[in-house]
Amino acid sequence: NAGVTQTPKFQVLKTGQSMTLQCAQDMNHNSMYWYRQDPGMGLRLIYYSASEGTTDKGEVPNGYNVSRLNKREFSLRLESAAPSQTSVYFCASRYYEQYFGPGTRLTVT
Amino acid sequence: AQTVTQSQPEMSVQEAETVTLSCTYDTSESDYYLFWYKQPPSRQMILVIRQEAYKQQNATENRFSVNFQKAAKSFSLKISDSQLGDAAMYFCAYRNTGNQFYFGTGTSLTVIP
Repeated sequence: NAGVTQTPKFQVLKTGQSMTLQCAQDMNHNSMYWYRQDPGMGLRLIYYSASEGTTDKGEVPNGYNVSRLNKREFSLRLESAAPSQTSVYFCASRYYEQYFGPGTRLTVT
Repeated sequence: AQTVTQSQPEMSVQEAETVTLSCTYDTSESDYYLFWYKQPPSRQMILVIRQEAYKQQNATENRFSVNFQKAAKSFSLKISDSQLGDAAMYFCAYRNTGNQFYFGTGTSLTVIP
């Protein structure tokens, strides 16, 4: 039982490049979430998915897209990365109490 | 939109002593959940304690307890008998009826040996 896994753990992008952050959970949870964590800002919700096939915007969705591929997987895509998207990204599952992945540190230069 | 405020960016406590971390929130809802999460240097987010708004009794988990004041919209975390392993960033979080979570900006706790 791996819980919530995220890949990659670290990534450096140049401005304008695209990439997809992967998240998977093996706990059969319906809800999945993507957050970003910036110094002094806490965690802010980017997108969430209440169930397979549904996604909704959170507080800071601009510049991101998501895909709920199936019940296990929820990916976050940056189509054209900007320096303002430099952050640590966390995936989480379950709405009753959140189970978090280990995070992805993304740097956009 | 809901907001969560942690007014103490940093706190320190002597080992074996008690410390209280503060959290206030703003909401017009009556049914919601409140959480405290711990984030050690490993960056992993760990659930410390959960409180349902409809429950009047304050939640307790071993050395961790909360003081939930619904009318005042206050949700403080008390750590008793502090240990070196308690040193971490602590985040207060609110979950609304739409199952969206809102986090505070965190309190960095230092435990002094």
